[in-house]
Amino acid sequence: NAGVMQNPRHLVRRRGQEARLRCSPMKGHSHVYWYRQLPEEGLKFMVYLQKENIIDESGMPKERFSAEFPKEGPSILRIQQVVRGDSAAYFCASSPSWDVGQYFGPGTRLTVT
Amino acid sequence: DQQVKQNSPSLSVQEGRISILNCDYTNSMFDYFLWYKKYPAEGPTFLISISSIKDKNEDGRFTVFLNKSAKHLSLHIVPSQPGDSAVYFCAADRQTGANNLFFGTGTRLTVIP
Repeated sequence: NAGVMQNPRHLVRRRGQEARLRCSPMKGHSHVYWYRQLPEEGLKFMVYLQKENIIDESGMPKERFSAEFPKEGPSILRIQQVVRGDSAAYFCASSPSWDVGQYFGPGTRLTVT
Repeated sequence: DQQVKQNSPSLSVQEGRISILNCDYTNSMFDYFLWYKKYPAEGPTFLISISSIKDKNEDGRFTVFLNKSAKHLSLHIVPSQPGDSAVYFCAADRQTGANNLFFGTGTRLTVIP
């Protein structure tokens, strides 16, 4: 059973471009979470999704950031018009239900130049 | 507002001795606590957890202690091994269906052979 997969592992974008980060949850997991880790900080929750639904987006910046988890395919975290402050490691986690522990992917390291 | 705090950014311990990592939290709604271990360029890996109805949980060399009145938990690793060298994150959850984890800033453990 493959773990949580994220791609790309490293992404470089110039200021103003769009970044798309993908997350494929573990097989059988329908709950997906996105976290961001800024340098020298802990992980910060961004958004929690189930298939086709956003359950909790209380950690998402109000502008430029969006997330989806379609019926088919991976979850996507989209950052429009990236700025240098978006440079961080973005981790995805999945779980089979809301009350079971989360399994993390290896992360996508976004660098905005 | 950092609701989960790990005040020691680093800890060095001799191989074979006990490692004690500490974590404090401020939100009394938290009722489930987890420890994650993270190697560079990898996602966090779940280590051990504890529910607020317990004050101790043990799994092999790892034991987590919870003091609810002090809003404090600790992770004990004994005996410590060089392979334990990693960053350890404490996380807390409210089992109300919101299901987003609040992470501390991490403690880097170095086990000296």
